[in-house]
Amino acid sequence: DAGITQSPRHKVTETGTPVTLRCHQTENHRYMYWYRQDPGHGLRLIHYSYGVKDTDKGEVSDGYSVSRSKTEDFLLTLESATSSQTSVYFCAINPTSGEVDTQYFGPGTRLTVL
Amino acid sequence: AQKVTQAQTEISVVEKEDVTLDCVYETRDTTYYLFWYKQPPSGELVFLIRRNSFDEQNEISGRYSWNFQKSTSSFNFTITASQVVDSAVYFCALSETDAGGTSYGKLTFGQGTILTVHP
Repeated sequence: DAGITQSPRHKVTETGTPVTLRCHQTENHRYMYWYRQDPGHGLRLIHYSYGVKDTDKGEVSDGYSVSRSKTEDFLLTLESATSSQTSVYFCAINPTSGEVDTQYFGPGTRLTVL
Repeated sequence: AQKVTQAQTEISVVEKEDVTLDCVYETRDTTYYLFWYKQPPSGELVFLIRRNSFDEQNEISGRYSWNFQKSTSSFNFTITASQVVDSAVYFCALSETDAGGTSYGKLTFGQGTILTVHP
């Protein structure tokens, strides 16, 4: 158990509404990531963080923003949700700072945008 | 750009058959890491193995084995004597570095292979 929780686990929202997903970890790991999973695409990186207030874009960052005001929480915000953002969102942590290590994933959040 | 290809979208086998899941990757990095993850029907992602680019030894863990070949840029995964509990989506992934050679641990995933093992 990597001590990662995601909230909410399921959400249905309407097009145009803002949505925030939360990832919480209990181990004070420096590196955190947000991925989305879609059929035929595997998992794709949205944003990642390498410390408090240190974030950067991933492969599919358009339409998403993130914030990391404290080590344990990494928030993903959809400013104005669209149907193309219907997906399963996974948060992950990397236990080793600055090196490639095994990423451990949270349980996922299933988001439906109507 | 890095790329991981899992050409097998779906595989169906009968219990006790051996099955190999293919993974081919592209990278310009000389140092990189490869991973396999399992996603059972319950949806969580379970880490199976990590391999670095300097270690081409095959690895065996119980019924699972991995064949890493740099010459063909492949990292294939074999399940021996498959069981119904092996039914899952399997993902191959590759670590990534930025233009300056720094690794932030970012992963590039393949599309996944759906494995169904029938009793």
